[in-house]
Amino acid sequence: AAGVIQSPRHLIKEKRETATLKCYPIPRHDTVYWYQQGPGQDPQFLISFYEKMQSDKGSIPDRFSAQQFSDYHSELNMSSLELGDSALYFCASSRDDASTQYFGPGTRLLVL
Amino acid sequence: AQSVTQLDSHVSVSEGTPVLLRCNYSSSYSPSLFWYVQHPNKGLQLLLKYTSAATLVKGINGFEAEFKKSETSFHLTKPSAHMSDAAEYFCVVSVGAGNNRKLIWGLGTSLAVNP
Repeated sequence: AAGVIQSPRHLIKEKRETATLKCYPIPRHDTVYWYQQGPGQDPQFLISFYEKMQSDKGSIPDRFSAQQFSDYHSELNMSSLELGDSALYFCASSRDDASTQYFGPGTRLLVL
Repeated sequence: AQSVTQLDSHVSVSEGTPVLLRCNYSSSYSPSLFWYVQHPNKGLQLLLKYTSAATLVKGINGFEAEFKKSETSFHLTKPSAHMSDAAEYFCVVSVGAGNNRKLIWGLGTSLAVNP
């Protein structure tokens, strides 16, 4: 069965640079969620989109933005990167009428 | 307010012995509850879910969990641990409805399996 696809899987950036993470949801899933997981921590919800509109906002810094496109894929744009942004970034998808979120493999971001 | 408490941050068992990972939740509504597993340097995999059907839920890899409303618990069990079960386990409750659903995460339980 098709799963959530995230790219890239690994990313190394320097402070103050920008990064773009991509997420391709499971086919026919119209809701996308972004999470940040620091070392040894539980995932923290950043933001979600339903039908290309932002549906909920969590602890996403102002330096980050995201959007969902017409093909339902989503991109998380991160600017002015800081050392503390080093983390595993997960994308999850669901159908709007289902409570189950299916997670992608994550993008591991390292900011030097 | 909804919350999830995983009662043990670390659990260590011997291979072939039972596993019990404890989870208590607090929810104003009939919750949807999940267990996710995360192997080292890997993504989050759905282990099982409870969504108001049978209270005993069977998941992948021989795991199961029982929803006990009177105890507000959703403990994860497995009769016999395998080395490959060593991972981080998260108990999660889903709150909200429709596209405003969000997940409330426990802090995780690290399961070690000793040979």
